[in-house]
Amino acid sequence: GAGVSQSPSNKVTEKGKDVELRCDPISGHTALYWYRQSLGQGLEFLIYFQGNSAPDKSGLPSDRFSAERTGGSVSTLTIQRTQQEDSAVYLCASSLVIRVETQYFGPGTRLLVL
Amino acid sequence: AQRVTQPEKLLSVFKGAPVELKCNYSYSGSPELFWYVQYSRQRLQLLLRHISRESIKGFTADLNKGETSFHLKKPFAQEEDSAMYYCGLMIYNQGGKLIFGQGTELSVKP
Repeated sequence: GAGVSQSPSNKVTEKGKDVELRCDPISGHTALYWYRQSLGQGLEFLIYFQGNSAPDKSGLPSDRFSAERTGGSVSTLTIQRTQQEDSAVYLCASSLVIRVETQYFGPGTRLLVL
Repeated sequence: AQRVTQPEKLLSVFKGAPVELKCNYSYSGSPELFWYVQYSRQRLQLLLRHISRESIKGFTADLNKGETSFHLKKPFAQEEDSAMYYCGLMIYNQGGKLIFGQGTELSVKP
């Protein structure tokens, strides 16, 4: 079946603008994770969802970052008032259930803040 | 503290040579460890996980709790093994989120 998809694949924005990144997990996967891949920080965890709830938001770098998931499927990561340090590849992963299953990663959204 | 360390940013070997990518972890619970690989222009994908004790593409990794290590090994490297490798630690009581090392770029020269 189809894998995890993310859109847009690339996003260029100006500092101070808001951006929305979308993730479509594998159908039937209840767990969804967001990670960020940047040159200086490597791969870092941002937030995860179990169904529509987000029990752990500890990885979000600031209150400019938020995420939601609706219908137990699509998730949106929103970055408000973007800063240059937000430039990175944002990865989404899903798994059948939390904790015990392999996470399947999407292709990522490459965000560049000018 | 939960931490994964991959000490080498870049590892360069010749085709046919043995390769070992190092991974050390710090975790108070029972560790569940993974190796993920990202080939050029492809998405991150699971290479292997310690609980399955399998060999994928000739790679193996053994969990050494005494040394808190999970090094990835292959006896004879191939050019197609050139990629970015990430060691990951699953945090069981935090939804199964993965803590990754900084990654090691493996370059296999002909």
